[in-house]
Amino acid sequence: GAGVSQTPSNKVTEKGKYVELRCDPISGHTALYWYRQSLGQGPEFLIYFQGTGAADDSGLPNDRFFAVRPEGSVSTLKIQRTERGDSAVYLCASSPSRTTDTQYFGPGTRLTVL
Amino acid sequence: GDSVTQMEGPVTLSEEAFLTINCTYTATGYPSLFWYVQYPGEGLQLLLKATKADDKGSNKGFEATYRKETTSFHLEKGSVQVSDSAVYFCALHSNTGNQFYFGTGTSLTVIP
Repeated sequence: GAGVSQTPSNKVTEKGKYVELRCDPISGHTALYWYRQSLGQGPEFLIYFQGTGAADDSGLPNDRFFAVRPEGSVSTLKIQRTERGDSAVYLCASSPSRTTDTQYFGPGTRLTVL
Repeated sequence: GDSVTQMEGPVTLSEEAFLTINCTYTATGYPSLFWYVQYPGEGLQLLLKATKADDKGSNKGFEATYRKETTSFHLEKGSVQVSDSAVYFCALHSNTGNQFYFGTGTSLTVIP
């Protein structure tokens, strides 16, 4: 079946602009995670959804970052007033349920802020 | 807080050599432990996992044993192949929270 997909694969924006990154999880997966991966680093947790609600947003670095999952499937990560330090690969992962802790990762969106 | 410390790379080995990539962790509670692999141009994939102490995860000839006494989950393979060239990430998921914690990754290159 289809895996986790993310769009766009690459996004180049200017400092101060607003961006949206989209994640389509595997159908039926209730858990969804967003991560940020900087060059040479491992994925860094941002936010976790169980269904439609953000069960844990403690990894969001500041209030410029926000994510939604209104229907419990597709999720959008939103970044306001982008800064050069936001440049990274943003990864999405989904899992069948909270108790099934194996995650399936998407290919990521590479965000470059000029 | 919870964290994972992973052996730094890059690692370069000849084909058929023995591989060890060290991983130690700090966690409250009883975490599950994972190794993920990222092949060139691809996304992260689960390689193996172990959910409790003394469990051994294995897949594709790779093995790792959950050692609570040494808080370690070292990745091993007896005979590496060129196709094993990738970046390997150790990770943990605590049973007291929702987060996954990843190490910084170890790049492995296997030369013929």
